[in-house]
Amino acid sequence: QKEVEQNSGPLSVPEGAIASLNCTYSDRGSQSFFWYRQYSGKSPELIMFIYSNGDKEDGRFTAQLNKASQYVSLLIRDSQPSDSATYLCAALSNDYKLSFGAGTTVTVRA
Amino acid sequence: DAGVTQSPTHLIKTRGQQVTLRCSPKSGHDTVSWYQQALGQGPQFIFQYYEEEERQRGNFPDRFSGHQFPNYSSELNVNALLLGDSALYLCASTYGVVEQYFGPGTRLTVT
Repeated sequence: QKEVEQNSGPLSVPEGAIASLNCTYSDRGSQSFFWYRQYSGKSPELIMFIYSNGDKEDGRFTAQLNKASQYVSLLIRDSQPSDSATYLCAALSNDYKLSFGAGTTVTVRA
Repeated sequence: DAGVTQSPTHLIKTRGQQVTLRCSPKSGHDTVSWYQQALGQGPQFIFQYYEEEERQRGNFPDRFSGHQFPNYSSELNVNALLLGDSALYLCASTYGVVEQYFGPGTRLTVT
């Protein structure tokens, strides 16, 4: 079982719609969770992180964490063509290891 | 404020050779982590350096080694290169253990 799993893509959404990305993790000791955006040929760029159960909003992005279900999600509201990228979910364990999922590719259709 | 920098940008090596990749962390950051990202995959954790010591290591063979210098910069060394070592090598820095910021990466091709 992979430590972090993401819903398989690709995900295609129309411009202005909500893109919903999901992620589950296996290590219950994980404390902090991260969403990175990676454009093709570029390095990952941190979007936001969350460590408390519930929602955390930053602009058009909302991260949700449910530790009981070992589930993390990212909502992108009012999706723009510039949001087209691969989104990586990552979990930080107590022993400082950051484990990534394989990523979900999002395409926003104009 | 300079972000994380890595050198070189691209590198082509032959099987069996050795390679050294370099990373300078973001100003104020004292911890450096290295990752390997194969095409179509997420980054895989290689190891993390803090206070010039390897603090944690992922599932990578001993061919992968590293070093951190007093100015917090770091090197990743890979010996006896294999074709499967071809990947994007990413360095990330942080202060503390929370947000990690990535450098642009080094694309290594082993032929």
